Amino acid sequence: NAGVTQTPKFQVLKTGQSMTLQCAQDMNHEYMSWYRQDPGMGLRLIHYSVGAGITDQGEVPNGYNVSRSTTEDFPLRLLSAAPSQTSVYFCASSYRSGNSPLHFGNGTRLTVT
Amino acid sequence: SQQGEEDPQALSIQEGENATMNCSYKTSINNLQWYRQNSGRGLVHLILIRSNEREKHSGRLRVTLDTSKKSSSLLITASRAADTASYFCAPRLTGANSKLTFGKGITLSVRP
Repeated sequence: NAGVTQTPKFQVLKTGQSMTLQCAQDMNHEYMSWYRQDPGMGLRLIHYSVGAGITDQGEVPNGYNVSRSTTEDFPLRLLSAAPSQTSVYFCASSYRSGNSPLHFGNGTRLTVT
Repeated sequence: SQQGEEDPQALSIQEGENATMNCSYKTSINNLQWYRQNSGRGLVHLILIRSNEREKHSGRLRVTLDTSKKSSSLLITASRAADTASYFCAPRLTGANSKLTFGKGITLSVRP
């Protein structure tokens, strides 16, 4: 089983550029989410989705867009990258039940110069 | 805002010793989960304890939950160097559907 797959693993962007971080899961999970992890800040929730066609904002949504056209994929778009978006990004998924654990990808390390 | 707060922020112990990590939260929960993160990797789920449970075991892991104090603890017995990692608690708030927020984590170092 592939689980949760994130691409790319590393990315360097210049300020103002846009890009999409990809996330795919093969476990038929309804729930998918994006976190960013910064030193001393722990993990902060950016956006999440409880099913295809449904998305909602987390704690730190500004500067990011998401869409959920299929159950498997949940891409995260940076519209105009800023140095403050330098971070490690994690995608996670689970069954919709509140008692289901999250399965994480291995992250995308993004640097914005 | 982060719903769980771990304590201590860092812990260093000798191999074979027990490691105790604590988590506090602020509002009512459906369950509380603990995760581990090895350097450079994603988080891995360790154990989930429901709000009507007081204690749960999984191998060398023991989790307790005290809803009256809004706190949980994770005990790793007979620690190994391979337990070196960051540990996070994640309380699932009542009514939060599947959304899960994390604390800042505890860095555990186990010295050989």
